[in-house]
Amino acid sequence: ETGVTQTPRHLVMGMTNKKSLKCEQHLGHNAMYWYKQSAKKPLELMFVYSLEERVENNSVPSRFSPECPNSSHLFLHLHTLQPEDSALYLCASSQVGDSGELFFGEGSRLTVL
Amino acid sequence: AQSVTQPDIHITVSEGASLELRCNYSYGATPYLFWYVQSPGQGLQLLLKYFSGDTLVQGIKGFEAEFKRSQSSFNLRKPSVHWSDAAEYFCAVGAAGNTPLVFGKGTRLSVIA
Repeated sequence: ETGVTQTPRHLVMGMTNKKSLKCEQHLGHNAMYWYKQSAKKPLELMFVYSLEERVENNSVPSRFSPECPNSSHLFLHLHTLQPEDSALYLCASSQVGDSGELFFGEGSRLTVL
Repeated sequence: AQSVTQPDIHITVSEGASLELRCNYSYGATPYLFWYVQSPGQGLQLLLKYFSGDTLVQGIKGFEAEFKRSQSSFNLRKPSVHWSDAAEYFCAVGAAGNTPLVFGKGTRLSVIA
């Protein structure tokens, strides 16, 4: 596989469920990102991991919990979500020290009932 | 701080007509500039990028963009639009180092027959 792969592509969950989104990059990059994209809202940067350490957390509610076990994998653990958390969640990767060019996955469409 | 403005939220053009999407940025030094395209429910795909050198850059799918330092602009152009170009277009600015890209709010392009 090449590029950035996200699973699942679609997820429906209740407010009391626990689920996880997975992202895997095959580009040899050392930084990974989670973005949230809601309807009619700009892209929101949620988390940044650089060299497997979290370097940015833009005031994201604690019901979203990221995990980066290695430079190729990134998870977003979801717990007790709200309907307003329904969105497209995009994963991206880049190479630290380069231009900042991001390589995106196809996204995981999350619906919270 | 870096910022990006895409003044047009939604543009409609006829198939075969020319297209120009506007992007203005704010950044103190020479920026790294990007245009991404996003089809519905998909991730973002890089169209083109500017780092230095020739201010007119060519991208994929017949798109080009011109960097104008005096106007702090990086407008995207295409001489003849195809129906498949209907999508959301995002301009982004970055810098060397670990700073995440800053995205504009996007311009939605509709193409009519």
